[in-house]
Amino acid sequence: TQLLEQSPQFLSIQEGENLTVYCNSSSVFSSLQWYRQEPGEGPVLLVTVVTGGEVKKLKRLTFQFGDARKDSSLHITAAQPGDTGLYLCAGELWTSYGKLTFGQGTILTVHP
Amino acid sequence: DSGVTQTPKHLITATGQRVTLRCSPRSGDLSVYWYQQSLDQGLQFLIQYYNGEERAKGNILERFSAQQFPDLHSELNLSSLELGDSALYFCASSVGGGSNQPQHFGDGTRLSIL
Repeated sequence: TQLLEQSPQFLSIQEGENLTVYCNSSSVFSSLQWYRQEPGEGPVLLVTVVTGGEVKKLKRLTFQFGDARKDSSLHITAAQPGDTGLYLCAGELWTSYGKLTFGQGTILTVHP
Repeated sequence: DSGVTQTPKHLITATGQRVTLRCSPRSGDLSVYWYQQSLDQGLQFLIQYYNGEERAKGNILERFSAQQFPDLHSELNLSSLELGDSALYFCASSVGGGSNQPQHFGDGTRLSIL
């Protein structure tokens, strides 16, 4: 059983559609980070959320941290082919300084 | 470019061998983390060093060891290699070693065991 359950695993959509990726856990996190990874490269940090209920926006991407700090979501508006990639959520438990626990990832494909 | 440098990019070796992976953190970062990424396990935390000292440990095998040197670069040593050790190994760095530190990843070393 994964500490962080990420869904869906695969997402294939058309350009212009909206999508949401979910990251859920029964554990409480001190912070949650979202990364995007492309083939042959390392994960690139998109955002860090640290406060329960926090919402952060990065252009067409909206990140939300649940009130209870157990879940998070990533919403992309009007997806573009350039958004294609592997999206990973990663949480840090209160007792784990710097140790990130990653979800299994969501492979997003946006078709022109 | 994250500023984190990992060498080599690719490594092909045989079972039973020993290899060393190297990581140079971003300038100014004191903390280094090692992760293993495989298709079935995803990204798994191995170990963290902060300013030369071990700070946190994950599910790192006893055959694996790491260290961080005075110049802050780090090495991950993998010995008695098995087929199942084939994976991508990532290094990440951050400024501090405590909580909520944004981690910046290198492009990884792809290890293939034949």
